[in-house]
Amino acid sequence: AQKVTQAQTEISVVEKEDVTLDCVYETRDTTYYLFWYKQPPSGELVFLIRRNSFDEQNEISGRYSWNFQKSTSSFNFTITASQVVDSAVYFCALSEVRGAQKLVFGQGTRLTINP
Amino acid sequence: SQTIHQWPATLVQPVGSPLSLECTVEGTSNPNLYWYRQAAGRGLQLLFYSVGIGQISSEVPQNLSASRPQDRQFILSSKKLLLSDSGFYLCAWSVDSGSYNEQFFGPGTRLTVL
Repeated sequence: AQKVTQAQTEISVVEKEDVTLDCVYETRDTTYYLFWYKQPPSGELVFLIRRNSFDEQNEISGRYSWNFQKSTSSFNFTITASQVVDSAVYFCALSEVRGAQKLVFGQGTRLTINP
Repeated sequence: SQTIHQWPATLVQPVGSPLSLECTVEGTSNPNLYWYRQAAGRGLQLLFYSVGIGQISSEVPQNLSASRPQDRQFILSSKKLLLSDSGFYLCAWSVDSGSYNEQFFGPGTRLTVL
């Protein structure tokens, strides 16, 4: 069975600090997809990134960066120079490659950026 | 362009009352449709998914049911709500593209059962 664990339930930092959100996953599939979503207070899910399991290159998008390490089954998300607008709940998720491609989500990490 | 609608946006219902949440997708055909639930302080859990009209797969045994009466309509129902049915319900859609089928989420329905 697939499982995603986000051990950090809540994180609170001061604006401009860097923060890393951890994600560890379990799957028996040899190929799979990994995701990060942002959920602002409005509740709607905002897609941030999708990573295919055979692409282990780290990715940077502005202040956001993702570190995928297949050897440790981790897909961590770092926000550099955090801003108040980054405050949200962040979800890591895992999807099968074939079939209905159902998403398995972690419990989420509530990130609060204090001014 | 494709859009996904959910209604109502918020709902407060007494225990034991029926439930009907609706999700519709515009601008695409034969989408895969999904219902997720987010209980308070918890992650999202897939409840049902559908790959075609009348085809429903249930992921978690529960007090809820789903139906797909039309190609782009997905309904979540209950005959008698429980307190534990409270949560944020998200509908999503995707289209088979031969590779990854990205899921697009609706705005959600916040259900409170009292």
